[in-house]
Amino acid sequence: KAGVTQTPRYLIKTRGQQVTLSCSPISGHRSVSWYQQTPGQGLQFLFEYFSETQRNKGNFPGRFSGRQFSNSRSEMNVSTLELGDSALYLCASSLDPSGGAFLGTDTQYFGPGTRLTVL
Amino acid sequence: AQSVAQPEDQVNVAEGNPLTVKCTYSVSGNPYLFWYVQYPNRGLQFLLKYITGDNLVKGSYGFEAEFNKSQTSFHLKKPSALVSDSALYFCAVRHTDKLIFGTGTRLQVFP
Repeated sequence: KAGVTQTPRYLIKTRGQQVTLSCSPISGHRSVSWYQQTPGQGLQFLFEYFSETQRNKGNFPGRFSGRQFSNSRSEMNVSTLELGDSALYLCASSLDPSGGAFLGTDTQYFGPGTRLTVL
Repeated sequence: AQSVAQPEDQVNVAEGNPLTVKCTYSVSGNPYLFWYVQYPNRGLQFLLKYITGDNLVKGSYGFEAEFNKSQTSFHLKKPSALVSDSALYFCAVRHTDKLIFGTGTRLQVFP
């Protein structure tokens, strides 16, 4: 079974621009989460989607947004880019067999990430 | 609040020796604990998890972890380290729909 895929793998943008990152989960997985990884802040949760609905959101400004499509694929968007947005953005998918009744036992599988550089 | 701590930024071990990467946690309710490994320019790879049951959890690539409720620890172990085990290791606790990660421990295995 193919793993989580993320496109593009690398992006270079300038301040003020916006960017869209894409994530395709493992086939059959219905939950998609996004994380930001930076040397200073480590791994931080951005948001999580299940059945096209955002279930949880981390402490990031409104410039960070996402969505999930009916095939479980997800995109995240960052508008008005700042230098501090330079990071590795990781997507993770999980099966979530509980159908939304969160159990906490599900394993999240990560993609290779998108390296965003803001100049 | 749920949190995990990895007290060591780096662990150095000689190839063939046992290794331990430490993790302590603070949770309310049942702890769902995970270990991931990250190689350079790669995403996170799942190693193992503790949900319930046996305190010794076996995972991928010969790794195992020992859950200790009284010490609130979940240390990652391997009986015999390989140079290829050199990577960044993250401990995490599951809270609602998200993982809360530790700061990571860099493992360096010397030949």
